[in-house]
Amino acid sequence: AQSVTQLDSHVSVSEETPVLLRCNYSSSYSPSLFWYVQHPNKGLQLLLKYTSAATLVKGINGFEAEFKKSETSFHLTKPSAHMSDAAEYFCVVSEPAGSARQLTFGSGTQLTVLP
Amino acid sequence: DAGVTQSPTHLIKTRGQHVTLRCSPISGHKSVSWYQQVLGQGPQFIFQYYEKEERGRGNFPDRFSARQFPNYSSELNVNALLLGDSALYLCASSREAGEQFFGPGTRLTVL
Repeated sequence: AQSVTQLDSHVSVSEETPVLLRCNYSSSYSPSLFWYVQHPNKGLQLLLKYTSAATLVKGINGFEAEFKKSETSFHLTKPSAHMSDAAEYFCVVSEPAGSARQLTFGSGTQLTVLP
Repeated sequence: DAGVTQSPTHLIKTRGQHVTLRCSPISGHKSVSWYQQVLGQGPQFIFQYYEKEERGRGNFPDRFSARQFPNYSSELNVNALLLGDSALYLCASSREAGEQFFGPGTRLTVL
């Protein structure tokens, strides 16, 4: 069975400082991993995805994530936070790689960006 | 192209009632998935349909059912509503194997 643990429920950063949102996964197969963002009263938007190609994945809006199999981690980073990045972020796992089947979401990390 | 659409946007029901939620996928997408997002939690998988066949079911009681129509739109039905069914219900569409695109959701409140 697949599962995802987001290690921080809330993260606060100052504008123009780095962002780190942590995610660990558990999977019986080679998983596909995703990060989604959810702004208030808006739908989920895909930030980036890992599907067994390059381990460093670049996404939209300057976000990137690194797949580390030895650590079963898929942490999300951004060098410089903007006020518009304030939102809920979800780490997601899907098995097997590339499938459009069931997505398993983490519990979410609320990112606050301080002026 | 239009994205995934869901109706209604908001819905208020009382305990014991029945509800039907609707979803229209992106044109060309034949797979529809349903998720329940309780306040403060991540979405949880309920069902996936592909070409009108159920492909997957999450850990939800039999009060939850769904179907997919020939035009690939889908309905989620919930019977005998409980207070705990209050949530944002999300629909996502995809091609058979690919990224899932989410709709804005239906906010269900059970009183």
